[in-house]
Amino acid sequence: SQQGEEDPQALSIQEGENATMNCSYKTSINNLQWYRQNSGRGLVHLILIRSNEREKHSGRLRVTLDTSKKSSSLLITASRAADTASYFCATDADSWGKLQFGAGTQVVVTP
Amino acid sequence: DTAVSQTPKYLVTQMGNDKSIKCEQNLGHDTMYWYKQDSKKFLKIMFSYNNKELIINETVPNRFSPKSPDKAHLNLHINSLELGDSAVYFCASSQVAGYTEAFFGQGTRLTVV
Repeated sequence: SQQGEEDPQALSIQEGENATMNCSYKTSINNLQWYRQNSGRGLVHLILIRSNEREKHSGRLRVTLDTSKKSSSLLITASRAADTASYFCATDADSWGKLQFGAGTQVVVTP
Repeated sequence: DTAVSQTPKYLVTQMGNDKSIKCEQNLGHDTMYWYKQDSKKFLKIMFSYNNKELIINETVPNRFSPKSPDKAHLNLHINSLELGDSAVYFCASSQVAGYTEAFFGQGTRLTVV
């Protein structure tokens, strides 16, 4: 069964605006990861946040994790057309690296 | 240098055929995975190998058989292909299973006709 649920399913914004997407999950986790997938391409890792962390930054990306609510958010600040992609959250709940992915948020950034 | 590479990138084949997808990683990782992405972009793990040993085997038809000749390679063989096998298959690797991020290949788009 699907572990993560992303919200919204789709997001359309203009360059320079911020994009926020949320991920909820069902079971306790070791870590939560965010990935980006450009159309027709593989997944690219963005950020990994461990269960004992609450916030992490990487460039224009900010990820938060609330384990009490079993939810995470990804914020992309000052978006660019190149940020157009699908964004997936994935939870890692065991010791074997088995990632369980959500359905993804499709982000379109228009110039 | 490509970190995780899979071949072929596209595969079109008829029902009933047997096909293989190859994957190689040059990152020195111990753990490799196969994921399947369906037409709705939903990704699901199929198999995982740690240092050539199978550690995850999800509910996958036994027509799918992974093979890891060494820790840098994880191939996927599919027998008696069915229409429902059409999907994008991704190979991935990670340095420490359950602790570090995964690196994905570019995917193999399999179309069964």
